[in-house]
Amino acid sequence: NAGVMQNPRHLVRRRGQEARLRCSPMKGHSHVYWYRQLPEEGLKFMVYLQKENIIDESGMPKERFSAEFPKEGPSILRIQQVVRGDSAAYFCASSPTVLQPQHFGDGTRLSIL
Amino acid sequence: QQQVKQSPQSLIVQKGGISIINCAYENTAFDYFPWYQQFPGKGPALLIAIRPDVSEKKEGRFTISFNKSAKQFSLHIMDSQPGDSATYFCAASVQGAQKLVFGQGTRLTINP
Repeated sequence: NAGVMQNPRHLVRRRGQEARLRCSPMKGHSHVYWYRQLPEEGLKFMVYLQKENIIDESGMPKERFSAEFPKEGPSILRIQQVVRGDSAAYFCASSPTVLQPQHFGDGTRLSIL
Repeated sequence: QQQVKQSPQSLIVQKGGISIINCAYENTAFDYFPWYQQFPGKGPALLIAIRPDVSEKKEGRFTISFNKSAKQFSLHIMDSQPGDSATYFCAASVQGAQKLVFGQGTRLTINP
């Protein structure tokens, strides 16, 4: 039973480009969460999605960031016009229901040149 | 009010000793308190979790102690081993496992 799969593991972008981060939840998990981790800091919640619905996006920056979890395929975190401050590790987690523990992927390390 | 404060930032313990990491919270609506272990280059892995209806939970060498009135909880690692060297995060959430609020992390080093 594969865990939460994130790709790419490392992503390098130049300022102004777009970054697309993908997350495939564990089999049977329909709840997906995205977190951001800055160096030497804890994880910060960004967004919580169920299939085709955004449930809570209270941690998402108002501009340039968007997330989706389509009926088919992985969840996507999209960052438009990236800036240096977007450099971080982005983690995805999934759970089978909202009351069960979240299982994390190994993250995507985003570097902005 | 959404913060979870974790201490210490770093901790060095001798092999066989007890490692203790503390967390405090403000939001009394929090009802789920997990601890995660993270190795370099990896995602956080759930270690142990507790709900406020119990004061202590033990799984192997890992124990969570929970003090509801003080709004504090702690992780104790008994007989600490070099393989326990990692960063540990406490977290809290409301209404089950949604939207985890993480502490700042503790980098634990176990000296052989």
